[in-house]
Amino acid sequence: SQQGEEDPQALSIQEGENATMNCSYKTSINNLQWYRQNSGRGLVHLILIRSNEREKHSGRLRVTLDTSKKSSSLLITASRAADTASYFCATVGLMAGNNRKLIWGLGTSLAVNP
Amino acid sequence: ETGVTQSPTHLIKTRGQQVTLRCSSQSGHNTVSWYQQALGQGPQFIFQYYREEENGRGNFPPRFSGLQFPNYSSELNVNALELDDSALYLCASSLEQQETQYFGPGTRLLVL
Repeated sequence: SQQGEEDPQALSIQEGENATMNCSYKTSINNLQWYRQNSGRGLVHLILIRSNEREKHSGRLRVTLDTSKKSSSLLITASRAADTASYFCATVGLMAGNNRKLIWGLGTSLAVNP
Repeated sequence: ETGVTQSPTHLIKTRGQQVTLRCSSQSGHNTVSWYQQALGQGPQFIFQYYREEENGRGNFPPRFSGLQFPNYSSELNVNALELDDSALYLCASSLEQQETQYFGPGTRLLVL
C-alpha cells in the first residue's frame, strides 16, 4: 500500500526557478528518503533525512521534515532542464532480520522548461 | 550507475504464460528487493530476499515467486500472467542494516 502522498502530482516550471514538492505519510518513521526517476527507468537515491533531523542539504537539494505534521518537502533550487523527472518520497518499514522495505508515494512529475 | 543490472530490458508475453526476470545486485550487497511499478504509479513492494531466503512480502499472490542465489543475484518469476501484470519491474539491492536501496534500470513487461 502507498503510504507517502506527494503533492503536487505534476509541476511545470521554467529553468532557473525553484521547485518545491511535498510528501505526507501516515505512520511513525525512522527516516524518509527522496528518489528521482527519469522517464520510467530505475530510481536514483537523492537524500535521506532521519526522524531526528529537521533539514538537510545536498547540492541544490534541500529537504525538510516535520514529524509532528508527518510531512516532508523537497526543494530544488535554480532548476535545470535536466531536473525533469518524477520525484518520489519513501518511508522505511521494518521487516524481520532488521531489513527494511521502502513504502512509496505516487510521485510528483516535474517538468523544467528551457 | 548503481552497479545493479537487470535483464531483459523489455519483454512481451501473452496472458497465461510464465516469465522470469533477473537481477544482479551491487557488489557486496546481500539483500535484493523487487518492486512492481504500474504506469503513473509509485513502486509497489513485491518481496525481499536476504541471504537466499524470502524476508518479507507485499500484497502479491503466490504466482509471484523468487529466488536468490549464493552470489546474491536474484530472479523474479511470475506464473499465469495476467494483463494487469504489465508494468515496470524494478529490483534494488542494499547492504544488510542499510536503508538506502540501489536500483537497477528495470524490466518493462507487456502482457497481451
